[in-house]
Amino acid sequence: DIQLTQSPSSLSASVGDRVSITCRASESISKYLHWYLQQPGKAPALLIHSVSTLHRGVPSRFSGSGSGTDFTLTITSLRPEDVGTYFCQQSYSTVYTFGQGTKLEIK
Amino acid sequence: QVQLQESGPGLVKPSQTLSLTCNVSGGSVNSGYFYWTWIRQYPGKGLEWIGYMSDTGSLNYNPSLRSRLSIAVDTSTNQFSLRLTSVTAADAAVYYCAACGYSGGRYSIDYWGQGTVVTVST
Repeated sequence: DIQLTQSPSSLSASVGDRVSITCRASESISKYLHWYLQQPGKAPALLIHSVSTLHRGVPSRFSGSGSGTDFTLTITSLRPEDVGTYFCQQSYSTVYTFGQGTKLEIK
Repeated sequence: QVQLQESGPGLVKPSQTLSLTCNVSGGSVNSGYFYWTWIRQYPGKGLEWIGYMSDTGSLNYNPSLRSRLSIAVDTSTNQFSLRLTSVTAADAAVYYCAACGYSGGRYSIDYWGQGTVVTVST
């Protein structure tokens, strides 16, 4: 199975900060990389699919980039409602896998 | 927008069969836009994709579960289901039903149910 490794595992940032989370795949996954946010006590929700396409209703402060094995999720101006755990997921192989998650807190 | 809601017993005995149902609203299971998917999340928060089925019978199961797993879509009730046999403590998790969007070949999990906790215990 393709392994996805996220970094950092956790981070703390202030409201208004620019935040970046990376996801590295164990082999090339082309553009088949998606990002989710799991807010506390809720199910995960899709933020970005196919590296950089925002899901409907997702604010434009979220963006994604990357290709091959290295990908980045960026939040340009952190808001309190952005706290939670962020997961990446690949759909390049027929066995879809998720990263271990990055927990984001507000300072 | 598609909404999903899981139902089923929260407690299953070891060696027995786990059966969960997902009710789909706001869309039809035979719309052709989604593959109907199950995902589980372990207590340590790790996510595991279980598998999906389309209304036309396309199937993709996680090989680690394939021998014990069955997913079915019922167009008459607009529901889909999961059946996992011979459960052990390792199957205890929060189970999510979800809609996997596949336009352009992306296979992202576009919509998720709220999740249902499954405990395996005598």
